[in-house]
Amino acid sequence: QLQLQESGPGLVKPSETLSLTCIVSGASISSSDYYWSWIRQPPGKGLEWIGSISFSGRTYYNPSLRTPAAISVDTSKNQFSLKLNSVTAAHTAVYYCATLGLGIGADYFEFWGQGTLLTVSS
Amino acid sequence: SFVLTQPPSVSVAPGKTARITCGGNNVESGSVHWYQQRPGQAPVLVIHYDTDRPSGIPERFSGSNSGNTATLTISRVAAGDEADYYCQVWDISSDQVVFGGGTKLTVL
Repeated sequence: QLQLQESGPGLVKPSETLSLTCIVSGASISSSDYYWSWIRQPPGKGLEWIGSISFSGRTYYNPSLRTPAAISVDTSKNQFSLKLNSVTAAHTAVYYCATLGLGIGADYFEFWGQGTLLTVSS
Repeated sequence: SFVLTQPPSVSVAPGKTARITCGGNNVESGSVHWYQQRPGQAPVLVIHYDTDRPSGIPERFSGSNSGNTATLTISRVAAGDEADYYCQVWDISSDQVVFGGGTKLTVL
């Protein structure tokens, strides 16, 4: 069974860079047709898709994001990452990693991590 | 960009049927997926491709998609169904994921 686990600093200061990692187990990133994705949820609000990446590096991003995101994949460690520069309090949210089955014609999120809360505060 | 509109809240008595709508321009031309999110938990896929239930999802959950509205129907609602529900599509015209704003289901 494919499993995802997010990891991150928990607390980031305004203007700093946010870095989160999602460790994949139960499947190989490089042999899967999934797109590896990040989704966030500000406190008390709805889900917002950030972006998705294939193992080969093809990316899709939410064009509505005020702060451009950068998603990368590390096949040697079987994990993928999210970077957001110059964060503000508006980036405070629970960040989820999830699988999007674009490569197999399944454009929904089948597997999710448990989520990690990131707070932006000085 | 494509927009999905959900009612903020739906209330239903135990044992009755809840219907949660997801509106979008000609939404029937694509596939709508539904997620259940209980408080403090990650979302769980409950319906994909408009009508299909993933393994482990009770038959009480069903979906439909016609015209400009997709609907998630929960029959014989129980207290454990109280959660937030989100619809989602892949907008092929802009190559992006779109989520609805979410609907809070309250079991009275």
